[in-house]
Amino acid sequence: AQSVTQPDIHITVSEGASLELRCNYSYGATPYLFWYVQSPGQGLQLLLKYFSGDTLVQGIKGFEAEFKRSQSSFNLRKPSVHWSDAAEYFCAVGSNNRKLIWGLGTSLAVNP
Amino acid sequence: DTAVSQTPKYLVTQMGNDKSIKCEQNLGHDTMYWYKQDSKKFLKIMFSYNNKELIINETVPNRFSPKSPDKAHLNLHINSLELGDSAVYFCASSQESSPAETQYFGPGTRLLVL
Repeated sequence: AQSVTQPDIHITVSEGASLELRCNYSYGATPYLFWYVQSPGQGLQLLLKYFSGDTLVQGIKGFEAEFKRSQSSFNLRKPSVHWSDAAEYFCAVGSNNRKLIWGLGTSLAVNP
Repeated sequence: DTAVSQTPKYLVTQMGNDKSIKCEQNLGHDTMYWYKQDSKKFLKIMFSYNNKELIINETVPNRFSPKSPDKAHLNLHINSLELGDSAVYFCASSQESSPAETQYFGPGTRLLVL
C-alpha cells in the first residue's frame, strides 16, 4: 500500500541553523513527490515538487529537497532557518488513483 | 486577488444543526477538493470534483454532501452536526485531476461543534 512517513513529529532548531526534515515513501512506480508548508492559521502552500529528472529540486523560500530512490526518501533541507519558517511541513506522494497520500506532518519551531 | 477562498472562516454551532461551507476558486482550475484536518493536523481527503463530476468520494458519513454548481465552486453541506465534526476544513483546487498536479489551498474553515 502507498504510504508516506515523516518520522519527526516535532523539530526545534535555532535561527540560522541548518534544517533537514525527513520523508520516506512507499510507492511501486516512480512517485510524484511534494512538500507543502502550513503556516499557523493558514492553508497549505507548495514548497516544491519532484516528478523526474534532476533529483535535487529547488523550491520557494530557499528550500530544496533531494529524491533518493534507493532510500525511498525525499528529505527537505534549508541551509539557514529564519524565524518565519516556523510552521507545519507536509510531505505527500501522488498516487495512481488521483489522490495525494499525505504524511502526518512535522512541526518546526525556531528558537531566536 | 484570492485564488481559493472559503466562507465562513470560523463556524461555531450546536450539535444537530445543519451548516454549509462555501468555496470558490478563480484560477480556472478543473478540479476541486475538500479536506478535513483534525486537531493532530492529519489531512484527510473527503471529496474531489472534476468539471462538476464527483471523482473521489472517501469513506465519509453521508451527513456530508458536496455540491458543485460550476467548476469554480464547491460547497460542503453538513447535516446533523456531531462533536467529532469539529475540525478545520480545507478547500483546494488543481488544474487537472492528475496526481502530478499542484493543489492550491484555501485558508480553511474552522468548525467547532458544541
